[in-house]
Amino acid sequence: GAVVSQHPSWVICKSGTSVKIECRSLDFQATTMFWYRQFPKQSLMLMATSNEGSKATYEQGVEKDKFLINHASLTLSTLTVTSAHPEDSSFYICSADTSGSPDTQYFGPGTRLTVL
Amino acid sequence: QKEVEQDPGPLSVPEGAIVSLNCTYSNSAFQYFMWYRQYSRKGPELLMYTYSSGNKEDGRFTAQVDKSSKYISLFIRDSQPSDSATYLCAMSFFTPFSGGGADGLTFGKGTHLIIQP
Repeated sequence: GAVVSQHPSWVICKSGTSVKIECRSLDFQATTMFWYRQFPKQSLMLMATSNEGSKATYEQGVEKDKFLINHASLTLSTLTVTSAHPEDSSFYICSADTSGSPDTQYFGPGTRLTVL
Repeated sequence: QKEVEQDPGPLSVPEGAIVSLNCTYSNSAFQYFMWYRQYSRKGPELLMYTYSSGNKEDGRFTAQVDKSSKYISLFIRDSQPSDSATYLCAMSFFTPFSGGGADGLTFGKGTHLIIQP
């Protein structure tokens, strides 16, 4: 149980285009989902916290108008990278929370974004 | 100074050795401490978690937290080639039974571990 999927797993896009990444909890409902970004040889960095039915909370330094998050249902959150640039190339990982405790956050497999 | 420091390695040890992985942190408000294993281009998988100071054992894995020193460790006994992966420490301000909601995690960079057959 507690499986989180992400789609796509790998995407390549041209500079200036927008990319949408989906995060789904397959066998549980997640009130809260988190989006992280991981650059090569760097930590996973929390970008935003997404609660179903409300606006996402962004970490300091993360542009909310560039990284649009929609958490429309208890099993789906989407991250849209608008007007992507090469510096946005990274590994984007979501996690879904089942109970509010840190040890019940389950991570998706990640999406590798390459912006040309 | 970053909030969580972790030596990225790589750390290479022979099969059967005891592995010690460590993280230090600067924010004394962290209460929940976790260790994740991550394979290349995959999401992290939770190995162990500890609330506050102390030790916790699960099979070949032992997690230790020393809040006074702001230092956490993960020990792997009888290491196997299948243990080769990147190990990330993570921390949270979450306090059980406080009524607070879920918090995002603060991660170390991860240590790349190689167990040589």
